[in-house]
Amino acid sequence: AQSVTQLDSQVPVFEEAPVELRCNYSSSVSVYLFWYVQYPNQGLQLLLKYLSGSTLVKGINGFEAEFNKSQTSFHLRKPSVHISDTAEYFCAVSVFSGGYNKLIFGAGTRLAVHP
Amino acid sequence: GAVVSQHPSWVICKSGTSVKIECRSLDFQATTMFWYRQFPKQSLMLMATSNEGSKATYEQGVEKDKFLINHASLTLSTLTVTSAHPEDSSFYICSAPTGNIQYFGAGTRLSVL
Repeated sequence: AQSVTQLDSQVPVFEEAPVELRCNYSSSVSVYLFWYVQYPNQGLQLLLKYLSGSTLVKGINGFEAEFNKSQTSFHLRKPSVHISDTAEYFCAVSVFSGGYNKLIFGAGTRLAVHP
Repeated sequence: GAVVSQHPSWVICKSGTSVKIECRSLDFQATTMFWYRQFPKQSLMLMATSNEGSKATYEQGVEKDKFLINHASLTLSTLTVTSAHPEDSSFYICSAPTGNIQYFGAGTRLSVL
């Protein structure tokens, strides 16, 4: 079965510092990978996606992620974070199951940006 | 990106009553929509897949009679929590796919007293 592991449940960081949120997945087939962000009491907003092509994917709000097939990883990075980046971040993999493309989510990483 | 609207954003109800949550795709048609449940500080758990014009597909362990799903049109799916009890209190989120991407509603916070 496919799964997603987010290695850090919480990541504290100071404003303007770089950050990396780690994500590993298990899959024996080609995958689509996603990072979503969730602000308190809100739904999920798509940050970026990897469907095919270039392994370095750029998303909104200055985030980027690199798909590494050999390491089965899809780590999220930002060179300089802002207070407003404080949120919960979810990594997800799309799997075909029961006739549908479903998302399997990691447990989430809480990014806390401090002044 | 595509827009998915979810209503209401917050609902409080008495134990034993039923609550309906709506999920609409505003600028695209969705033959499939997904319903998730999220407990505090936890990830999203897929509850069921809603199919336009046919029965929903429920994940293992999800009570079909407790969580009624109707997908009557290509832009609207509803989740009804029947005879709600305090343990049903949670954050419910819907999503609708277009292409290979799922777009999410803003979620509904259900509090059952």
